[in-house]
Amino acid sequence: DAGVIQSPRHEVTEMGQEVTLRCKPISGHDYLFWYRQTMMRGLELLIYFNNNVPIDDSGMPEDRFSAKMPNASFSTLKIQPSEPRDSAVYFCASSLSGQGGNQPQHFGDGTRLSIL
Amino acid sequence: QQPVQSPQAVILREGEDAVINCSSSKALYSVHWYRQKHGEAPVFLMILLKGGEQKGHEKISASFNEKKQQSSLYLTASQLSYSGTYFCGTPDRGSTLGRLYFGRGTQLTVWP
Repeated sequence: DAGVIQSPRHEVTEMGQEVTLRCKPISGHDYLFWYRQTMMRGLELLIYFNNNVPIDDSGMPEDRFSAKMPNASFSTLKIQPSEPRDSAVYFCASSLSGQGGNQPQHFGDGTRLSIL
Repeated sequence: QQPVQSPQAVILREGEDAVINCSSSKALYSVHWYRQKHGEAPVFLMILLKGGEQKGHEKISASFNEKKQQSSLYLTASQLSYSGTYFCGTPDRGSTLGRLYFGRGTQLTVWP
């Protein structure tokens, strides 16, 4: 079975440019999570969706960040305009519903973003 | 609600044992464990759902003490392939929501 698919794997762009990260969750999973990982802050949850509906976006750092999930098989995370401090590895993960968090999260390979 | 992991880092020789702890100030309903190798994504290892329950994965096992609000990961006879950062994750107690709160991770290095 295909896992969570993220694209691009690497992105290098200049400050001020728009960045779009893409994610295809595992088929049948109804939760989708966007994480950011840095050495300083560790693994941070940015936003997550349940059945394509955003449930909690309190982790989104600023209005420059936005995320959408137009259908069950696709989600995007956009940064506009991008800044050097946005440089990080961004992971997408998906899972099935479950009582009390009894379902594992499956992570994509991540997008390594560098803003110059 | 982020769980606290200890130690922050462990260095071992191949064949040695290690214990990684995960504790929470709030009541725990379940505990997830993940391993992330350098440059890769976190990979699910196991979930502990009941207090006192122990699970195993290869020579890696874990316990969950609901009363003490903590879980421990036991790595027995460490192999080079065990190197990586180990994260515990905990959900909101009793919640049907899928989010996890991850600890800061424990970096494990195994030398030959």
